[in-house]
Amino acid sequence: AQTVTQSQPEMSVQEAETVTLSCTYDTSESDYYLFWYKQPPSRQMILVIRQEAYKQQNATENRFSVNFQKAAKSFSLKISDSQLGDAAMYFCAYIPGTYKYIFGTGTRLKVLA
Amino acid sequence: NAGVMQNPRHLVRRRGQEARLRCSPMKGHSHVYWYRQLPEEGLKFMVYLQKENIIDESGMPKERFSAEFPKEGPSILRIQQVVRGDSAAYFCASSPSGQGVEKLFFGSGTQLSVL
Repeated sequence: AQTVTQSQPEMSVQEAETVTLSCTYDTSESDYYLFWYKQPPSRQMILVIRQEAYKQQNATENRFSVNFQKAAKSFSLKISDSQLGDAAMYFCAYIPGTYKYIFGTGTRLKVLA
Repeated sequence: NAGVMQNPRHLVRRRGQEARLRCSPMKGHSHVYWYRQLPEEGLKFMVYLQKENIIDESGMPKERFSAEFPKEGPSILRIQQVVRGDSAAYFCASSPSGQGVEKLFFGSGTQLSVL
């Protein structure tokens, strides 16, 4: 079965510090895509970063970067210089080349001033 | 360019009533997806529609749930005879084509509360 696991229900980080959110997934596919979505209290799902499995280079978007370990099926999100606006639920998602996103259960990130 | 519009934002129903959730995709998008988010869980795929066609409804409960995306107007997710377990946030997403590797644009969801 294709699953996505986020083992950290909640994380806290001090403002301006760095935090890493973990995500592992299970798949037999060789070609797929991975995503991190942010869901603030407004409920809006905001795409943070996307990684193609065939690319070895880790994706980066400003203060957000990933550590993609294909063999280990691991896809962690690193947030540098954390800001108060980063506080939200973060969902890891996987899509095996079709339209069915498979989401993890989320990690609630708290940013402490 | 307006994003994906969902309404209502909040919907309260009593057990046994019907719930109708609406989704207007982004302009130029002809592919719509519905996801359900139960409390403290991630989003789960329900159904994928193109204009006038249901492409995949494998994630939708067989009974009481139906979805449509007519030639004109928004996509509708309909839940008949709601039960407390239907309480959840229902998200709609759209894309210009059916290629899943592209970015999905999500609406802000409809929070359904069943009393």
